[in-house]
Amino acid sequence: SQQGEEDPQALSIQEGENATMNCSYKTSINNLQWYRQNSGRGLVHLILIRSNEREKHSGRLRVTLDTSKKSSSLLITASRAADTASYFCATDFDGSNYKLTFGKGTLLTVNP
Amino acid sequence: DADVTQTPRNRITKTGKRIMLECSQTKGHDRMYWYRQDPGLGLRLIYYSFDVKDINKGEISDGYSVSRQAQAKFSLSLESAIPNQTALYFCATSDARRGTGELFFGEGSRLTVL
Repeated sequence: SQQGEEDPQALSIQEGENATMNCSYKTSINNLQWYRQNSGRGLVHLILIRSNEREKHSGRLRVTLDTSKKSSSLLITASRAADTASYFCATDFDGSNYKLTFGKGTLLTVNP
Repeated sequence: DADVTQTPRNRITKTGKRIMLECSQTKGHDRMYWYRQDPGLGLRLIYYSFDVKDINKGEISDGYSVSRQAQAKFSLSLESAIPNQTALYFCATSDARRGTGELFFGEGSRLTVL
């Protein structure tokens, strides 16, 4: 499988703390994306990082990509209770014509 | 109104029944997808369509079929439902012109097969 794999599977933190989630993948990619899913709802795109980028920011989100290690991390700073959700990485592996493959997700719980 | 609409949102059916899940979009995107989500397994691609005349199998297409009736409509059928098809099903769209594969999801259709 070309799936990305998130780590940890679950993460529980206090409001105001930072949350870091990791994603590893197996083959060359065109880009890597992070999505968020509130319980039982549709996934929402958060941020995309291309294979030639190393870091990207969007508001309280910071994504890094290390293509030599085939890994990415998503950092959420100053977390809020509303950040409680599952977070998925999705890879557009080289040659897939932009067809995404999803990991199993990290369940983040932010406690008030 | 939602850009990607799925119907029904919830469905309970019995083994052997034929089920159709429908998806319509107002985003004007050319590409449409059906994913299945099971607890602990993430999302798996069932079928995808890059335009009205293009239908492709994903990683778990057995037991499913699709129809792309128009650019805006993509339906998923289970010809004879079985209990292990109980799952949350998502339709998604993307715009090939963006060149990223970024997906826009519907709210999901929860299917229970008894």
